[in-house]
Amino acid sequence: QKEVEQDPGPLSVPEGAIVSLNCTYSNSAFQYFMWYRQYSRKGPELLMYTYSSGNKEDGRFTAQVDKSSKYISLFIRDSQPSDSATYLCATTPRGKLIFGQGTELSVKP
Amino acid sequence: GAGVSQSPRYKVAKRGQDVALRCDPISGHVSLFWYQQALGQGPEFLTYFQNEAQLDKSGLPSDRFFAERPEGSVSTLKIQRTQQEDSAVYLCASSLLRGREPQHFGDGTRLSIL
Repeated sequence: QKEVEQDPGPLSVPEGAIVSLNCTYSNSAFQYFMWYRQYSRKGPELLMYTYSSGNKEDGRFTAQVDKSSKYISLFIRDSQPSDSATYLCATTPRGKLIFGQGTELSVKP
Repeated sequence: GAGVSQSPRYKVAKRGQDVALRCDPISGHVSLFWYQQALGQGPEFLTYFQNEAQLDKSGLPSDRFFAERPEGSVSTLKIQRTQQEDSAVYLCASSLLRGREPQHFGDGTRLSIL
């Protein structure tokens, strides 16, 4: 079993939709969680960085962590075609990042 | 520039050749990480430096992989006697300190072994 599991998609939504991206993790000791966005042929770009349980909002993006169920989510409101990318969840037990497989998102105009 | 810079962006090599991939981290960043990303997968950790010290190399897949950061800044990932399964994107990331600070990634080197 991988330490971080993520549905690879692909996920296709119309412009303006609310997008929900999800990951599960196996180790209850993990406390820091990140979402990265990766455009084609580019490196991952940090979107959200959260610690422990709860919600964090930044513009159209909301990251949610539920430690009781070992579940992390990223919500994108009013999705735009420019949001089309691969979204990677990650956690870091001791510096090195452990990534999920990534979910490929396509937002259609 | 302000970001992590990697070179070359693309590298094609014949099986059995040695390759060297370069990473210029963000100035002043103490920590440097190398990751390998296969097609359709998330990045996987290879090795970690704090300044010039290689503190974790548990992710290096074989002894053909070698990384160095001799002056605590630029780092080189070397792969000897390349094999087809080494084809991947190699990503470098840096962070200000060790631990939980956000890591900033370069755009990677896309390595193809023929």
